[in-house]
Order: sequence, then structure tokens, then C-alpha cells
Amino acid sequence: GEDVEQSLFLSVREGDSSVINCTYTDSSSTYLYWYKQEPGAGLQLLTYIFSNMDMKQDQRLTVLLNKKDKHLSLRIADTQTGDSAIYFCAESMGGGYQKVTFGTGTKLQVIP
Amino acid sequence: EPEVTQTPSHQVTQMGQEVILRCVPISNHLYFYWYRQILGQKVEFLVSFYNNEISEKSEIFDDQFSVERPDGSNFTLKIRSTKLEDSAMYFCASSPSPRSYNEQFFGPGTRLTVL
Repeated sequence: GEDVEQSLFLSVREGDSSVINCTYTDSSSTYLYWYKQEPGAGLQLLTYIFSNMDMKQDQRLTVLLNKKDKHLSLRIADTQTGDSAIYFCAESMGGGYQKVTFGTGTKLQVIP
Repeated sequence: EPEVTQTPSHQVTQMGQEVILRCVPISNHLYFYWYRQILGQKVEFLVSFYNNEISEKSEIFDDQFSVERPDGSNFTLKIRSTKLEDSAMYFCASSPSPRSYNEQFFGPGTRLTVL
């Protein structure tokens, strides 16, 4: 079955870059996602990448995908205290109602 | 900005009792989902729902669980006879249409505590 793994915790200083890593097992994953969860809030889709892409950049966010190693990373440039949250890596086969399989989440702590 | 809402935010119940968790998806969305997250574990898919029927369900979603869209706005998850291991955060989500990347919009969750 599908499995998505992440490290549980990352601490960075404000202004530094953060890199959150994720590995997944399902080679048929079509879409890979990064969700953000702030305290008391739901899961918010930050960005996604289609499996035939290597990289996607969106303002301060850069997603890198190594499909051969089934490794996904999220880089946040110039990390701010407002970026402190739990970041979930997730995958799905895409399409209408396909389920999304999530990792355990990485708690990012930004130190002022 | 439209958002998914869930009530209650926290539900405490006795083992064996029935609970109904409520969700109001975004109004023009067509696909609805329930996920749960046991403390310290992954967010797990429970069920997806479209056109008034279950589209897909996981092995977790056994006969104790049911979903319903009783009117045009609510989407509910019922657990018939709760067990201790049902204690978790339950997230509702909705998505507008079968766009390829399937963006699901999540509610803030209901924390269910079974005593």
C-alpha cells in the first residue's frame, strides 16, 4: 500500500531557508502535495507537483521531486515566524475523488 | 473566502455511544471526504462521497461508520458505537470538481475523545 514518511521536527532561524523532506512508496503517485496546518486550523494546500516534473517554484516555495528515489522536498526561502506550522507531504493518483495519502507531518519551528 | 466548517470543535463521549460529526462543505463543491488523525499518527483517509453515494472507503471505514448528506449543505459522519480507539481528530474536506490535481479544502477538524 501507499506510505509517506517525513521527519517529525525541524527548527530554523528566521531568515534562513527551511528544507522539509519526504519519501513515498507508491510509484503510481501522480500528484504530490504539500499541506500546511496552523494551530486550530485545517489543512491548507500550499503547492503540488505533477509526477513528470522535477521542480516547481512558487514565490518563496520550491518543490523538488526525485521520482527515481521517490523523494520530495519543500524549501521555504527566507523563513518567517509566520511559517511556523506543521507541514504535511501527501500523494494521490489524481482525478476526481481519489483519496490523498498523508505523511505524519513535520513541525517547523522558526526561531526569531 | 468560503471555507469548510465543522461542529463541534471537541466532542467527548462514552464508549459505546453514538456520535455524529457535522461538516458544512464549501457550497458549490461536489466531492466530500472524511479523514482522521489519531494523536501522533498520520492523517488517514476514511471515505469519499459524490452524488449521494460513497465513492471510495478505506478499511477503517467499517460498519460502525456511515456518512450522509441530509440536506444541501451538511455532510455528516456517524459512528454508531464508539470505541476507545476512535479517539482522534476528524477532518472533513470538499473539492469542487474532478480537476486533475484534486485540491481538497479541509475544515479545522473535530476532536473526538472517547472515554
